[in-house]
This record gives sequence, C-alpha cells and structure tokens, in this order.
Amino acid sequence: EVQLVESGGVVVQPGGSLRLSCAASGFTFDDYAMHWVRQAPGKGLEWVSLISWDGGSTYYADSVKGRFTISRDNSKNSLYLQMNSLRAEDTALYYCAKDMYGSGSTSIDYWGQGTLVTVSS
Amino acid sequence: QSALTQPASVSGSPGQSITISCTGTSSDVGSYNLVSWYQQHPGKAPKLMIYEVSKRPSGVSNRFSGSKSGNTASLTISGLQAEDEADYYCCSYAGSSTSHVVFGGGTKLTVL
Repeated sequence: EVQLVESGGVVVQPGGSLRLSCAASGFTFDDYAMHWVRQAPGKGLEWVSLISWDGGSTYYADSVKGRFTISRDNSKNSLYLQMNSLRAEDTALYYCAKDMYGSGSTSIDYWGQGTLVTVSS
Repeated sequence: QSALTQPASVSGSPGQSITISCTGTSSDVGSYNLVSWYQQHPGKAPKLMIYEVSKRPSGVSNRFSGSKSGNTASLTISGLQAEDEADYYCCSYAGSSTSHVVFGGGTKLTVL
C-alpha cells in the first residue's frame, strides 16, 4: 500500500524558514517523480514544485521560485521542501504527492494527508 | 486568478450526466495531452480520476470520462450518484519554461 506521510508543518513568523518532510513507503521511491501541492484554507489546489526521480530536474511555481527548494533522499525514501522568506500567503495545507512517471507529469496518482503551515506573527 | 478556468459550480440530479469544463490556452491545455482531473471530498486528499486527457486509473468508475477540444478539456460524469458530490480540479502541463504544472480553480459539484 502506497503511503505518503508529511511532517514539519508549524506556525512560523513572516520571513521565517521551515523544512517539510515526506516519508514514502509501499512503492519503489526512486522510480518516480514527486510533487508538493498546497491548498490555502477554503481555497483551491496550487501546484508548488516537482522533482524528477533522480533529483536531476526540479521545477517551481512562480509564486515560490527563489524562496522554496525541493529535494529528495532516495536512500531514505524521503522528499523535502525547504521554505525560506515565508509570507502570509504561503499559509496552506501542503500535500506530498507521487507522480505516475519518473520524469514528472500532471498525473499525480497518490497524495498524502497534508501538513499545515501557518505564517503569522 | 487560476491559470485554468473552471465553472465555480455545477449541479445535477441522480442518474443524470454533467460536464465540467476547463479552459486554458494554446500554451497549456491546447498544446499537450497532459490534462488530469482530481476529485476532492471535504477534509480529504485529492484523488486522481482522469489522466492524460481521457485515461482512467484502475479502480475509477467508468462513469467518469475525459475529453479535450482545442484549449478546453472536459470531465463528464454519467449516472450521477450522491457520492460524486465533491470539488473537482483540472490540471495541465504548461511547458518546462513556465509554470510547468497549473491547476484550475475548482468546481463544486452538487448532486440535487
């Protein structure tokens, strides 16, 4: 059974930093690209970032480019999102999600339950 | 403002069919057969319903179907059931030099 378990969400002040983690199990982690997708309270889904199976290719939404960094450790079956210079508009539930392919696409077949990040003073 | 445009809400009675549209541009929906659709019930994680415009993942009912014409993709749900009431989001590839992946704003489906 595929499982994606996010952690690291907390309340942080504007301008602060945070690192989210996602522990993956139930599939061959290093065969697949991975995404972070977020959802602000009461709002729709917003794609944040994508990393290819080997970490060689990374992509970001314009809203987070230059502030967020996606990475993965295939030896630990883990995905990460380093978030810097946080803003109030980054407040959201952050989902870790698995792509159907290694290079990444828009076919996201498994999602975690999310971790809540709140940016507030 | 979302990159892909969806109606805010649609509704239908049990047994009827409904279609949700997703309008993009020639840079995303119109250029790639990489449109997917997600169902999200309140308080739950999204679920993949359609990928690559019209493919259904294993386990998804064949009452769900997808299509695309030009810059607009569509999700059709036939034989509406009460459990289909949820939010639906479309998603498209937008090119590696741009936002890469974009979602629609979401459509609330109400089963009357």
